[in-house]
Amino acid sequence: NAGVMQNPRHLVRRRGQEARLRCSPMKGHSHVYWYRQLPEEGLKFMVYLQKENIIDESGMPKERFSAEFPKEGPSILRIQQVVRGDSAAYFCASSPRQGRTGELFFGEGSRLTVL
Amino acid sequence: GDSVTQMEGPVTLSEEAFLTINCTYTATGYPSLFWYVQYPGEGLQLLLKATKADDKGSNKGFEATYRKETTSFHLEKGSVQVSDSAVYFCALISTGNQFYFGTGTSLTVIP
Repeated sequence: NAGVMQNPRHLVRRRGQEARLRCSPMKGHSHVYWYRQLPEEGLKFMVYLQKENIIDESGMPKERFSAEFPKEGPSILRIQQVVRGDSAAYFCASSPRQGRTGELFFGEGSRLTVL
Repeated sequence: GDSVTQMEGPVTLSEEAFLTINCTYTATGYPSLFWYVQYPGEGLQLLLKATKADDKGSNKGFEATYRKETTSFHLEKGSVQVSDSAVYFCALISTGNQFYFGTGTSLTVIP
């Protein structure tokens, strides 16, 4: 029973390139969350998606960042024209259902380094 | 809006010492509360949770009690081990199905 799978685990990009981070939720989970963790800082919420829908993107920068969770396939977090400040660990988490008792299951993260 | 505030670290303890990491929250309604742990280079793992007032979550010797009157969910362990060295996050889930995390508290246990 695989957990939340994220890839790549490590990604190096030069300024101006695009970064694509993938997240496959646990089997049967239809809710996906993306968080960013900067060095020595906590987790910052970015976006919450259900299949084919963005539910809450209030934590995501308005420019250069986008996210999707298609009917088939993984959730994708896309960062266009990366800058050094985008260097961080990006964590995906999934949940099987709505409701206040639901817990999040985290992937091991994708670590983006922008040169 | 909803939020979580937890004590800042880093915290350094000797093995077998008593641990307390404070966490308080602000929320409308009745959130569920969680403690997550992050070991170096890994993602977060659920440590324990409580879904209503006066509930006590416990796991691996860690405990936390949901105190509605003080809006707190402090994490405690009676005797820490070197293997408990990690970053601990307090979190809540709001009525809008949104999770809010504290900034994390780094714990180092020395032999």
